[in-house]
Amino acid sequence: AQSVAQPEDQVNVAEGNPLTVKCTYSVSGNPYLFWYVQYPNRGLQFLLKYITGDNLVKGSYGFEAEFNKSQTSFHLKKPSALVSDSALYFCAVREGTGANNLFFGTGTRLTVIP
Amino acid sequence: DGGITQSPKYLFRKEGQNVTLSCEQNLNHDAMYWYRQDPGQGLRLIYYSQIVNDFQKGDIAEGYSVSREKKESFPLTVTSAQKNPTAFYLCASIPPGKGTGELFFGEGSRLTVL
Repeated sequence: AQSVAQPEDQVNVAEGNPLTVKCTYSVSGNPYLFWYVQYPNRGLQFLLKYITGDNLVKGSYGFEAEFNKSQTSFHLKKPSALVSDSALYFCAVREGTGANNLFFGTGTRLTVIP
Repeated sequence: DGGITQSPKYLFRKEGQNVTLSCEQNLNHDAMYWYRQDPGQGLRLIYYSQIVNDFQKGDIAEGYSVSREKKESFPLTVTSAQKNPTAFYLCASIPPGKGTGELFFGEGSRLTVL
């Protein structure tokens, strides 16, 4: 069975510092991996995805994520955090092409401190 | 602009009442989804529909019902059988393809049972 874990409920980082939000996954086949961001009382917005190819994926708002097959991880990163990056971040994994086979992590709340 | 519109944004219900949440999309997407979001639990799939006049139960379908009479519309009814309906409900759709596309989300509907 597929699953995704976000081991940190909360991440705090100072403005201007690099940030990392962690995600690990478990699938039996090739994973399709996604990151979404959610601002208070809003829907989720897509940030980036890994399907195949380069392990480093670049996405919206300066975010990037590194796919590591051996560690089954897909950590979200940004070189310099902004206060406006403060939000709830979700990692998701899909195994295969089934439209219903998308599983979300429990989310990590990122707070960027001015 | 294309997107997904959910209404109402906030809804209050007395116990024992059914309520219907609206979801409309003009993205020409075939597949649509309903998720429930509770604090600390991520997103859980309620129902999904891959084509008009067809829908499937997700992981937590009990106490909910849906219809898909038009491609653009996928309303969710929260029935009185749902024991704990207070939550944030998110509608989403996905473009046609091989299942590698990302979900597009509406802005959500927050249901509170009084």
